[in-house]
Amino acid sequence: EAGVTQFPSHSVIEKGQTVTLRCDPISGHDNLYWYRRVMGKEIKFLLHFVKESKQDESGMPNNRFLAERTGGTYSTLKVQPAELEDSGVYFCASSRLESGIQYFGAGTRLSVL
Amino acid sequence: QKEVEQNSGPLSVPEGAIASLNCTYSDRVSQSFFWYRQYSGKSPELIMSIYSNGDKEDGRFTAQLNKASQYVSLLIRDSQPSDSATYLCAVRMDSSYKLIFGSGTRLLVRP
Repeated sequence: EAGVTQFPSHSVIEKGQTVTLRCDPISGHDNLYWYRRVMGKEIKFLLHFVKESKQDESGMPNNRFLAERTGGTYSTLKVQPAELEDSGVYFCASSRLESGIQYFGAGTRLSVL
Repeated sequence: QKEVEQNSGPLSVPEGAIASLNCTYSDRVSQSFFWYRQYSGKSPELIMSIYSNGDKEDGRFTAQLNKASQYVSLLIRDSQPSDSATYLCAVRMDSSYKLIFGSGTRLLVRP
């Protein structure tokens, strides 16, 4: 069974540009989560999808961040326009419906210069 | 006060010793507790989950939970150099699926 896949693994962009991160969850997992770790800080929750619906987006920092999960399969997280403080590692996780066990991808390291 | 606190380490132990990793949390309604291991540049990997007070053992790993003291720990017996990694403590409340992480403890096992 393939794990959670994220790409790109690294992205380097300039301030003001747009970046789109992608996450492919484990097949059959209806729950999909985005988390972020900025330098020196703990991993923090961004949002949670159940299938294609946003269940909880309380962790999204501002309206420059847009997450989608069309069709309830893969998800994208777009940052537009990117700011310096958006730099960090963005993790995606997935779990079965009603399961608390979340499986993580390796993350996308985003550097905004 | 952080919601989940861990000593950042590094915690250095000799090969074969018991490594003891600790985590405290602030919210009494936290119900589910997880330990993840993360090697540099890799995905966090779940190694233990615990939901009720007491001990839970899985191979060389034992998780201990004390809800009254708001404390969860992870013991690694017969530590191996391959156990060297960052160990992340995470908690979840039943009202939400989101995990709240500590900043992680870096463990070094000396050969």
